[in-house]
Amino acid sequence: DTGVSQDPRHKITKRGQNVTFRCDPISEHNRLYWYRQTLGQGPEFLTYFQNEAQLEKSRLLSDRFSAERPKGSFSTLEIQRTEQGDSAMYLCASNEPGQGLKETQYFGPGTRLLVL
Amino acid sequence: EDKVVQSPLSLVVHEGDTVTLNCSYEVTNFRSLLWYKQEKKAPTFLFMLTSSGIEKKSGRLSSILDKKELFSILNITATQTGDSAVYLCAVGAQGAQKLVFGQGTRLTINP
Repeated sequence: DTGVSQDPRHKITKRGQNVTFRCDPISEHNRLYWYRQTLGQGPEFLTYFQNEAQLEKSRLLSDRFSAERPKGSFSTLEIQRTEQGDSAMYLCASNEPGQGLKETQYFGPGTRLLVL
Repeated sequence: EDKVVQSPLSLVVHEGDTVTLNCSYEVTNFRSLLWYKQEKKAPTFLFMLTSSGIEKKSGRLSSILDKKELFSILNITATQTGDSAVYLCAVGAQGAQKLVFGQGTRLTINP
């Protein structure tokens, strides 16, 4: 399967701990996105990379959140000092530059985080 | 601020019925509207719409966009239990890469 992959699929942590999630995009896609989805809501944009450059960050991305894409391939999203409100599904998506259907973002299976 | 509103939020029908899901939007410099289907995992792409009045069709699913009235509909005919999912509508704006999603419509098809 050459789709977007995410690891881990599930994470349970205690409040105050740090967690890190990984996303591997579709190999020819140079754009990568992180979204957060809470129960009963649609995904909300967090941040976007083109190659290794982080080009946009949502105001939802507090100082406790940091994302990297050091070599322009996989990306990591770290949450420091987790809070119960961070419990959500964290989705990664990727696409290639271009017009029309090339813009379509393809999503990974997500990492479901539960903060106790 | 860009906004997407979907209705209804929840819908329960019987197998074989036809359903229409609605998506209205407010976005500065509209570029595209996308529909996704989400079961218990990743949203999977259904359609991308950029022009008014041109119906996109895939099997029993079809969708159309009205850029004047700022809405789109997703139709599913002869529904099957496998159509049960959350259907998400999202819009993209010119000059921005992010998608803005609606809350989704949870569709349940009973046998």
